[in-house]
Amino acid sequence: QSVLTQPPSVSGAPGQRVTIPCTGSSSNIGADYDVHWYQQLPGTAPKLLIYGNSNRPSGVPDRFSGSKSGTSASLAITGLQVEDEADYYCQSHDSTLSAWVFGGGTKLTVL
Amino acid sequence: QVQLQESGPGLVKPSQTLSLTCTVSGGSISSGYYYWSWIRQPAGKGLEWIGRIYTRGNADYNPSLRSRVTISVDTSKNQFSLKLSSVTAADSAFYYCARFYCSSTTSCYFDPWGQGTVVTVSS
Repeated sequence: QSVLTQPPSVSGAPGQRVTIPCTGSSSNIGADYDVHWYQQLPGTAPKLLIYGNSNRPSGVPDRFSGSKSGTSASLAITGLQVEDEADYYCQSHDSTLSAWVFGGGTKLTVL
Repeated sequence: QVQLQESGPGLVKPSQTLSLTCTVSGGSISSGYYYWSWIRQPAGKGLEWIGRIYTRGNADYNPSLRSRVTISVDTSKNQFSLKLSSVTAADSAFYYCARFYCSSTTSCYFDPWGQGTVVTVSS
């Protein structure tokens, strides 16, 4: 059981907007630790998608955006494309566990 | 740009020690203010941070694995390594190495990642 909670799956049609929540607590996101997001395409390694809550590495389309508020964070994807089908993971630090932690992952299906 | 590549046996017997190496190319493992880390992912499951090492300091580990894990670095070979002792079937997973960067004490992330290597624990 992950200390960062994500829905197992989300879906959307091409062109639509979806959001993926990441819910934490006062020992991680709520303790002012930043949230980062990774995209894992089928059969590949995770790739950094968003860092520092809302920053995109170079090469990541601006269709991807991140936000954080209180003990939660969210990844938004607009203008969904078929190639966005992947697993998405949030990551932060937990002071109680003294560990860097990941959410359980969310599988995005583009219908 | 920096690239990472994992290597090591794909099959380990129960109770033995899993050993993997990560080779860093495109930059020196000693440059900058980077840590170097291992993460694992059981098939079909989520990601688990194993530990990290800084070339100028100590390693620290996930408390859930601390008693069995050792991460070391060989700057002359631009490599860092993972040893996990007393393995069981529960340690079967994809193992990834990654560069770990902290822009502040509250903001640390993994980038880039190696392609990963699968390790199966079985007799």
